[in-house]
Amino acid sequence: GNSVTQMEGPVTLSEEAFLTINCTYTATGYPSLFWYVQYPGEGLQLLLKATKADDKGSNKGFEATYRKETTSFHLEKGSVQVSDSAVYFCALSPAVANFGNEKLTFGTGTRLTIIP
Amino acid sequence: DAGITQSPRHKVTETGTPVTLRCHQTENHRYMYWYRQDPGHGLRLIHYSYGVKDTDKGEVSDGYSVSRSKTEDFLLTLESATSSQTSVYFCAISDPRLATDTQYFGPGTRLTVL
Repeated sequence: GNSVTQMEGPVTLSEEAFLTINCTYTATGYPSLFWYVQYPGEGLQLLLKATKADDKGSNKGFEATYRKETTSFHLEKGSVQVSDSAVYFCALSPAVANFGNEKLTFGTGTRLTIIP
Repeated sequence: DAGITQSPRHKVTETGTPVTLRCHQTENHRYMYWYRQDPGHGLRLIHYSYGVKDTDKGEVSDGYSVSRSKTEDFLLTLESATSSQTSVYFCAISDPRLATDTQYFGPGTRLTVL
């Protein structure tokens, strides 16, 4: 079956540090890949996505590149801010589209704390 | 936010009591989902719906039932709550009109079973 593995947290960084959160996946074919972010007390929000190999998703200074050869979708940001403190989830959607009823498989989440 | 609300936002109940959580959406989205979020597990799918009165089980459906009698409401019921069902529950929608493989989440319900 499909699975997502992301780096264990928590991760603590100083403001303006470089961020990488690793994510690898197991799936057949070409799934869509996502990063969701959950700020304290809130639901999940889509941060970025990529739907095919070598695509780069980007949003709010975050980037992730769909690497088919390494089955990875690592999240990066060049200079983090205190406001980036949140839990980040990597997820995948199966390769076969089903008229909008794709069921997501999530990683366990990585808690990120940025200190001033 | 795709017009999703959940109620209640917080609930404390006792073992053995029935509990119903409500997910309400205002924009006629076709697909709806219930997840639970637990430390070390991420989000796991409980049940989902692909239309009125059309529902199916997810990976952790034991002890839960759902109903969708109207497009806008998707109810999750714990017939007899247990302490292992203490969790944060999220509702989500997806919609081919928005993007076929992106889900949008509600704010969550924190349930504590004593």
